Amino acid sequence: GEEVAQTPKHLVRGEGQKAKLYCAPIKGHSYVFWYQQVLKNEFKFLISFQNENVFDETGMPKERFSAKCLPNSPCSLEIQATKLEDSAVYFCASSQSQGARYGYTFGSGTRLTVV
Amino acid sequence: GQQLNQSPQSMFIQEGEDVSMNCTSSSIFNTWLWYKQDPGEGPVLLIALYKAGELTSNGRLTAQFGITRKDSFLNISASIPSDVGIYFCAGQYAGNNRKLIWGLGTSLAVNP
Repeated sequence: GEEVAQTPKHLVRGEGQKAKLYCAPIKGHSYVFWYQQVLKNEFKFLISFQNENVFDETGMPKERFSAKCLPNSPCSLEIQATKLEDSAVYFCASSQSQGARYGYTFGSGTRLTVV
Repeated sequence: GQQLNQSPQSMFIQEGEDVSMNCTSSSIFNTWLWYKQDPGEGPVLLIALYKAGELTSNGRLTAQFGITRKDSFLNISASIPSDVGIYFCAGQYAGNNRKLIWGLGTSLAVNP
């Protein structure tokens, strides 16, 4: 399809629980990006993929965050042992192979609330 | 993390007025993008700029890529109520990593 589909739209987890978020990029887009938007509107880059390969993971808190993009499956972002500070909206974006040439198309986000 | 300096932080204007917002960076960017985000939604691309000095329009929106490659502005002419939202600039460095560096947004309110 022509939209980036993110599920679920809302997710509530108790502190210490696991959270898993999903993203189906636009068909034909080679790059997938995950961003975290926190309270003051700040977008923090987490990780990007080129097809199923990690392209840039410099933003990932590696001790608890992991992500995958496997063939024929939605991409996923998983947070083990969530903390209160993980509460944020997580956006997935995809782009064509030329990177930002045509901009990035964002999904509607998953709002994670850790209580 | 690294951010762009986006200003103003918020604006409250009357319908029909023109709006201007800008972003500056201490680093040189290869690409500037302007997005709009509505509540509960992801950012939507408004304008993309790829060359220093480039001036691009999209309807009532006009954006320019600064000559120094360290700044960009977005103008909205004759604002209407549906222009309400948060506008973000984002930059991308030359090179291969493709991640975006973001401003903190300009929140626009339009009084009908």
